[in-house]
Amino acid sequence: DGGITQSPKYLFRKEGQNVTLSCEQNLNHDAMYWYRQDPGQGLRLIYYSQIVNDFQKGDIAEGYSVSREKKESFPLTVTSAQKNPTAFYLCASSIIRGEGEAFFGQGTRLTVV
Amino acid sequence: AQRVTQPEKLLSVFKGAPVELKCNYSYSGSPELFWYVQYSRQRLQLLLRHISRESIKGFTADLNKGETSFHLKKPFAQEEDSAMYYCALSGGSQGNLIFGKGTKLSVKP
Repeated sequence: DGGITQSPKYLFRKEGQNVTLSCEQNLNHDAMYWYRQDPGQGLRLIYYSQIVNDFQKGDIAEGYSVSREKKESFPLTVTSAQKNPTAFYLCASSIIRGEGEAFFGQGTRLTVV
Repeated sequence: AQRVTQPEKLLSVFKGAPVELKCNYSYSGSPELFWYVQYSRQRLQLLLRHISRESIKGFTADLNKGETSFHLKKPFAQEEDSAMYYCALSGGSQGNLIFGKGTKLSVKP
């Protein structure tokens, strides 16, 4: 069953801790993205990657980091430097960067306690 | 600057009424426009894209380059159409999808 999988679905973090959100796809897509979804804000791009070992900052990259060691995996780390990390995070992939349909994961809701 | 504007946060209509979700864009070039939908407890998914010129679930959208609009329309709304709708533009400077802030459609019985 092809698709894009995010885990965990819910995540709680204490202030000052780093936390990593997982995103895996078996669609053989080159491009992968991380978006943050807040009420009334739409989707804002955090990071994107179009090939292995390469990634670019999006509009709101501060306080986040990513890696792309494998084509199918694009984990996002929310660091303690992110001032307002509580949000819904969406991972997506597409065949080619910026072209065609993007496929989304089911999201991870991160709550800082 | 590339930008997608959805002026309505919430649109409420009665079942059977026509519905139009507005989307305007700003882009210096030939953009590719999409509508994505997010039903309750489901993942965000593509509804339609302008190049396919399809009607999906009764929805259509026409790209109007003169007015830089890509409004989503359906002649007779159904309760199951209630969802969050996002207009998106492909071709941003960073090569990614640029989303509008979304419109929540509520179809009342």
